Amino acid sequence: EAQVTQNPRYLITVTGKKLTVTCSQNMNHEYMSWYRQDPGLGLRQIYYSMNVEVTDKGDVPEGYKVSRKEKRNFPLILESPSPNQTSLYFCASRQLAGMAGRTDTQYFGPGTRLTVL
Amino acid sequence: SQQGEEDPQALSIQEGENATMNCSYKTSINNLQWYRQNSGRGLVHLILIRSNEREKHSGRLRVTLDTSKKSSSLLITASRAADTASYFCATELPFSSGSARQLTFGSGTQLTVLP
Repeated sequence: EAQVTQNPRYLITVTGKKLTVTCSQNMNHEYMSWYRQDPGLGLRQIYYSMNVEVTDKGDVPEGYKVSRKEKRNFPLILESPSPNQTSLYFCASRQLAGMAGRTDTQYFGPGTRLTVL
Repeated sequence: SQQGEEDPQALSIQEGENATMNCSYKTSINNLQWYRQNSGRGLVHLILIRSNEREKHSGRLRVTLDTSKKSSSLLITASRAADTASYFCATELPFSSGSARQLTFGSGTQLTVLP
């Protein structure tokens, strides 16, 4: 079954304690993203990756890191979490079609609800 | 800044009625997509419409795109209680703009279908 998985699904932590949220997809997609979702703000992109070892900042990258050492995995790292990073996080992936101007649909993971105390 | 903005923010209808949600955006796009999200869960892709298309159908869903007005609408016909969810539009900038193929999401419309 084609899917994007995230772990953990729920996490409560304290300010400053480093954490990693894992993301994995089994569709051989090149493009992967991390979003955060906050009430009234919709989804905002944190980081994205167009392929292995190629990552770039999205709209709200401050306080986050990512890596893309393998095509299937795209972990999100919070080196020193703060309360304003309390949010619902989604990983997503999609194929980048070869032709310019064409795109495929994006698949989302189930979400990780993070609370930073 | 957000590219897409949905309207209304919330919509409540009776089962069997049609639901219409609108999305407006600011700049030229490559495509526009609609997603559905059940409470606290991941988003599920519903339909994609490209900039050179004006209307698409998928089951009970009908999407229109008016690039001159920079707007799109999602119509759900004969709604069911199970359609209760948040609906988001997302836009992708033209490839020629040098965009990194990012999707920009609006803040969503919360649809409630009453049985």
